[in-house]
Amino acid sequence: AIQMTQSPSSLSASVGDRVTITCRASQAIRNDLAWYQQKPGKAPRLLIYIASSLQSGVPSRFSGSGSGTDFTLTISSLQPEDCATYFCLQDYDHLSFGGGTKVEI
Amino acid sequence: EVQLVESGGGLVKPGGSLRLSCAASGFTLSDASVNWVRQAPGKGLEWVGRVKRKIDGETIDYAPPVKDRFIISRDDSKNSLFLQMSSLKTEDTAVYYCTTGPAGFPLFGVIKRDYWGQGTLVTVSS
Repeated sequence: AIQMTQSPSSLSASVGDRVTITCRASQAIRNDLAWYQQKPGKAPRLLIYIASSLQSGVPSRFSGSGSGTDFTLTISSLQPEDCATYFCLQDYDHLSFGGGTKVEI
Repeated sequence: EVQLVESGGGLVKPGGSLRLSCAASGFTLSDASVNWVRQAPGKGLEWVGRVKRKIDGETIDYAPPVKDRFIISRDDSKNSLFLQMSSLKTEDTAVYYCTTGPAGFPLFGVIKRDYWGQGTLVTVSS
C-alpha cells in the first residue's frame, strides 16, 4: 500500500500569512493527488484534485503543486475561516490519506 | 440535488456484524466510483474500500485492515451501496462515510466530484 507522509502535523500562523503543507508518497503516484479540508464535526471538503486543479467554489488562495512523490498545498493568504485540518489523498493505487495537518490562527 | 445518505450505524459487540447503507439520489450510483472512508474519534481519515464505476469494470477493492472481514456491494435497483462488516474489532469504531471522492463522474454533461454523506457512527464495544 502507498504510504502518504504529511508535514507538519500542526502549525500556527497569522492572518495573511502564506502557509505551505507538504505530502510525500512512498512511491511515484503521477499527479493522482487531492487535498481536503475538514472542520470539526463535518465531512471533508475537496480543495484540489489532480495535484493542482482547483475544485469549483474553492477560493483561489488555495493552490496545489507537485508530481511524482512530492506535493504541496499552499494557502497564499491565511484567513480565519481556514482554521481546519488538511489531508492529502492519493488515488493512484487504491486510496490512502496523509496523517493530516491542523492549521490554527 | 446530489445526495448521499448513510444509515445503519450503531453499537455492536466485538466479533459482531453490522451492515451500513449509502443511499444515493440525484445521480446514478453506478456512474461513479464510490468509496467507504472512516474516521476514528479524534483521528485522521482512513480509506476502507470502494467499488469502481461501471465503465471501469466495477472492481471492488479493500484496505488491508478490513480485507476478508468487510464486503462492499451495490444494488442498482435501489441506487444504494452497502458495507457488510463482520468480525468487528474495537479499532473499527469510527464514523463511516460514503463518498464519490476526487474522481470525477459525468452528470448532465458536467464532470462532478467529491460528494460525501453525513456519516454514520459505528461503535464496537463490549
